[in-house]
Parts: sequence; structure tokens; C-alpha cells
Amino acid sequence: SQQGEEDPQALSIQEGENATMNCSYKTSINNLQWYRQNSGRGLVHLILIRSNEREKHSGRLRVTLDTSKKSSSLLITASRAADTASYFCATDANDYKLSFGAGTTVTVRA
Amino acid sequence: KAGVTQTPRYLIKTRGQQVTLSCSPISGHRSVSWYQQTPGQGLQFLFEYFSETQRNKGNFPGRFSGRQFSNSRSEMNVSTLELGDSALYLCASSLSLAKNIQYFGAGTRLSVL
Repeated sequence: SQQGEEDPQALSIQEGENATMNCSYKTSINNLQWYRQNSGRGLVHLILIRSNEREKHSGRLRVTLDTSKKSSSLLITASRAADTASYFCATDANDYKLSFGAGTTVTVRA
Repeated sequence: KAGVTQTPRYLIKTRGQQVTLSCSPISGHRSVSWYQQTPGQGLQFLFEYFSETQRNKGNFPGRFSGRQFSNSRSEMNVSTLELGDSALYLCASSLSLAKNIQYFGAGTRLSVL
């Protein structure tokens, strides 16, 4: 089973709106990463947040981490058509590899 | 720096055949990991190579194998293809550990008929 589970599975928003997706995981982690995947392409690393951090920003992205609830959220502000993609969280709970969630598919409507 | 390069991008094979996929990591990256991505199972870890040695392996049958060369380029091989092997195969490289930030290639789309 997946270590990380994203919620919702799919999200459709209007251009300019904010998009929020969540990731829950099962075991303790050192860090959590978010990746983006455009249709049928490879994943692109967006942001890494360490277990001792609560919030991190990168451009229009804001990531929060709550280790007590074993959850993280990714907020994309002022969405654009180019943000249409699938977003995955990945955790390093396993000591040798990243475990990816099933992803949230975001569609930004013009 | 050039990114991770995977070849070929698309492949069509028939059941029972074998296939070899290639991955060239970012220059200086010594860890190469392979993943299988399918709509039903998501992103599944296949194996990781580091300095020409398989360091870790996921839960896949022995039909899936790989290797890494001295220049860090990696190949993965799937023998006796099954319909269920149809997937997007992704290669990712990182500086040292597979659990660190991964840099992905565009993937090889394999269709087994």
C-alpha cells in the first residue's frame, strides 16, 4: 500500500483561484516532498519540507507539515492553466527510497 | 546541465518478448532509480543502482532486472513480457541517495500487445 495518500483525487478550479491538496502518511518521516507531473511526462520536484519545519514557501507554492497528524498540504495560489497537472507527495519513511502517493489531478479552467 | 534522458520514449512489444530501456542520469549523479507507473498502482519502485551495484529492489518479479555502467548510465530489462507490464517506466537520478530529491526523465511508455 502507498505510504502517502493524496486527497482529493481530482480537483477542478478556475484560473486565478487557489488549489489545495492534502497528503496523509502512515509512519514517521525525515522529510516530505511534493512533485508535479504533466500528462504522461516525468515528475518534477517542487519542494521539500523537513520534519522539523512547519511551513515552507516557494513562489506561488505553500507547503505545510503537521507531523502530529502525519499530514501535509500543498497550496497553489493564483492558479494558471500551466498548473494543470498531477501532484504527488513523497515520503522517506522507508530508509532507502521515496514512497509516492497516488496523486491529485488538478485541472485549471480558463 | 542536461537532464535525465530516457530512450526510447515509446515502445510497442508483444507478449513473451523482452525489452531494454535506457537511462542517462544528470552528470555527477551516481544514484539511478527506476519506477513503474500505472493508473491502478501509481508509482512503484523497481530498483536503485549506485556505483554499478544494485542497492535496493522493490517487490517485482525476477523478470525485471537492471544494471548500471561505470558512467552511471543505467538500463533496465524486462523479459517474457506480460500484458500487465504495459506502463510508463520512469528513471530518476539523485546525487547520492534514492530518498533524496529525485530528478526524473520523461519516461518510456511501454505497450505490450
